[in-house]
Amino acid sequence: EPEVTQTPSHQVTQMGQEVILRCVPISNHLYFYWYRQILGQKVEFLVSFYNNEISEKSEIFDDQFSVERPDGSNFTLKIRSTKLEDSAMYFCASWAPRDLNEQFFGPGTRLTVL
Amino acid sequence: AQSVSQHNHHVILSEAASLELGCNYSYGGTVNLFWYVQYPGQHLQLLLKYFSGDPLVKGIKGFEAEFIKSKFSFNLRKPSVQWSDTAEYFCAVDTGTASKLTFGTGTRLQVTL
Repeated sequence: EPEVTQTPSHQVTQMGQEVILRCVPISNHLYFYWYRQILGQKVEFLVSFYNNEISEKSEIFDDQFSVERPDGSNFTLKIRSTKLEDSAMYFCASWAPRDLNEQFFGPGTRLTVL
Repeated sequence: AQSVSQHNHHVILSEAASLELGCNYSYGGTVNLFWYVQYPGQHLQLLLKYFSGDPLVKGIKGFEAEFIKSKFSFNLRKPSVQWSDTAEYFCAVDTGTASKLTFGTGTRLQVTL
């Protein structure tokens, strides 16, 4: 069964460093998403991406964040200068019309900022 | 903007007990409704979804949910839980095709033997 994959599973970084979280969505899916979940809190939407551009973003998704689909398979989330409060689980999701509005989620990347 | 409330943060049940987890949403228009489950160490998986039609929807693993439009609710139920149902359960809504999901805070279900 096709699935969304994410790497790395756990990333530890120093405050101020740049991190890139990687996702491989399900092949032929058209919409891509990033969500995050700070420990003990709810899953929050960050950004959606369609046709090589951002279609919607939340207030969390400020200038420190960017997304990119550098090739036909990867979908990345970059945080330019990490802050302590960026520590969270980051989930990638993808969607295609044939899947009747179900977003398929990856296993997540746990980001720890020290 | 839409919001989702889950009233139970932590529920502990014995095996074979019945389960009902509450979910209410706030949005003035049409919504699609979802329940996701996250087993320990695993990713979010869809349990069931409601778009239209019969307000009682059945999902995987014996779960069902009922959409009550007048109450803006979408409660999750299971007649008899199993130890393997121990997980975190998230209610979510979206407001249209390919739109973002808005999640509730989640309910941690612990099933004891």
